Amino acid sequence: RKEVEQDPGPFNVPEGATVAFNCTYSNSASQSFFWYRQDCRKEPKLLMSVYSSGNEDGRFTAQLNRASQYISLLIRDSKLSDSATYLCAVNPSKAAGNKLTFGGGTRVLVKP
Amino acid sequence: NAGVTQTPKFRVLKTGQSMTLLCAQDMNHEYMYWYRQDPGMGLRLIHYSVGEGTTAKGEVPDGYNVSRLKKQNFLLGLESAAPSQTSVYFCASKGQPNQPQHFGDGTRLSIL
Repeated sequence: RKEVEQDPGPFNVPEGATVAFNCTYSNSASQSFFWYRQDCRKEPKLLMSVYSSGNEDGRFTAQLNRASQYISLLIRDSKLSDSATYLCAVNPSKAAGNKLTFGGGTRVLVKP
Repeated sequence: NAGVTQTPKFRVLKTGQSMTLLCAQDMNHEYMYWYRQDPGMGLRLIHYSVGEGTTAKGEVPDGYNVSRLKKQNFLLGLESAAPSQTSVYFCASKGQPNQPQHFGDGTRLSIL
């Protein structure tokens, strides 16, 4: 089992709709969690950190479920510009040298 | 705001040639990372550094060497390039253990 797994998609989303997807992680001692957005042939850019109580940034909501070991990202009122690949990143533990393990990404295509 | 700067942006090498990729950050970050990203493989950690003068191996270190002589710079070297090292290389840095990483805009390397 991979340390961090994501459904590769693509998720085809009508403009204005809501889309949500998860990222599962295998190490229960994982410390911190992030969502990144990556556009084609560009660098990953931090979208948001994921806090234990869940957090929201505009149309984006991130949640952490430690019991089931996954994080989720929900995008409301999808825009064409939301089309991208969304990478989750997990810091496995303090002993891991503060490295991040990335999932393979979930591709989202928002269509008119 | 320069952030993380990678040079060069593109390079084509012949098998057996050597080269060095430079990553520079102006955020006084302690931690720096080198990744490669290949289609279907996601981001894979090559080497990383937790501070000036330190380096450590990541997931795929073979064929690469690194140096962190100055806090702001993290160099990735290919001593004898192979076609399997054709990839997009990303550098990242972060300041504190549980903070997210910030990425440079990548180096596209082709080895013929």
